[in-house]
Formats: sequence, structure tokens, C-alpha cells
Amino acid sequence: DVKVTQSSRYLVKRTGEKVFLECVQDMDHENMFWYRQDPGLGLRLIYFSYDVKMKEKGDIPEGYSVSREKKERFSLILESASTNQTSMYLCASSLGETARGFFGPGTRLTVL
Amino acid sequence: RKEVEQDPGPFNVPEGATVAFNCTYSNSASQSFFWYRQDCRKEPKLLMSVYSSGNEDGRFTAQLNRASQYISLLIRDSKLSDSATYLCVVRVILSGSARQLTFGSGTQLTVLP
Repeated sequence: DVKVTQSSRYLVKRTGEKVFLECVQDMDHENMFWYRQDPGLGLRLIYFSYDVKMKEKGDIPEGYSVSREKKERFSLILESASTNQTSMYLCASSLGETARGFFGPGTRLTVL
Repeated sequence: RKEVEQDPGPFNVPEGATVAFNCTYSNSASQSFFWYRQDCRKEPKLLMSVYSSGNEDGRFTAQLNRASQYISLLIRDSKLSDSATYLCVVRVILSGSARQLTFGSGTQLTVLP
């Protein structure tokens, strides 16, 4: 079965800190995604990547960057965390020709 | 306008009821459609794909109307365990192997005893 893991379940950071969220999948999927989920707003796409070193902006990329140096790993970076980035962050991956997305367990980030 | 729109609910229905959720999408290039289920404090998981001819999986029936850009999910004989948030998901093929999954904000269902 596909496994998507995220580096932390809960994270607390201070305003201005640089934050790294790591996501790893073990099924050789081409596509990987970062979403944030907020009450009333649903899942919003931040960035996605369809190949190593390739990235595309999603709906809300401001304040975020990503890195995909290896196929199995997709990192989300908050260069200078702000309180409005407090959220649940979900990573997902999917194979190119099938669209079933597999999600990681999520990281609940709190920025104080 | 959101790319994928759903009625947020909440839908509170008694056990055994039939309940229907609707979803509309704005991108006519959308190619694949899905319903995901998300339980409280858990990640979303695929419930079923949606095909143009309509498809059924036990008590769940999904329909797609490409002309109206509309997707539906029908749950018959609802169970307490069906309580969850149901997410409508649309996939667009951008180029090559690039695929984008866009999620609706979800419809919350509570099945009451």
C-alpha cells in the first residue's frame, strides 16, 4: 500500500522563523502536492510538482516555496513564518496516469 | 468564483435516510472526477471515482454531467459511520505528466441515530 509520511504531526514555531515541512512517498509517484486546510475554506493547493526539480504554483503560493530534489521527497518551506500560516498542512502524491491521490497524515502548524 | 464549489452543509440526516451532495466545477478542461471522504482530524481518502456513465459502489452512487459541469454523490440507507466531510475533487491534465487536483471545500454530513 502507498505510504505518504510527513515529518511532524504537530509543530509550533515563532513568527519570523524559517519552517521546513517534509513529505516522503514510497511508491515512485510523479506528482506531489502541498495543501493547507482551514475551517470553512477547505483544501487549498499551495504548490505541486510533477517531476524532480519541477514545480508549479497552486492557488495560494504566497509566503511559501518548495523543493523537490528527489522524486520521493517534496518539501514545503515557509521562509519567514507568520501567524496567518497557522494551519493544517497536507501532502499528497499521485501517479501520473491515475489520479488517485494518497495523503499524508498532515502537520498541524501553529505560528505564535 | 471557486474552481470547485460544494454546498458546505452541514447535512444532518437520520439513519436510513437518502442524502445527495452536489458539486459544480468551472474548468471545462477537467478530465477526471472523484469523491473523497475526510473523517474528523484525519487525512482525505478516496471514496470513489466518478464516470460519465454514472457508477455505483454499494450504497453510494456517483453521477457526472459534463455538459452542466456538475457532479453528484448519492448515499442510500445512510449509516452512523457515514458521518464525515465529503470532498468533490477534479483533476486537470496540464501538460505531459503534470496533473492538478483541485478540491472543493467539502460537505459535512452527520447521520443521527
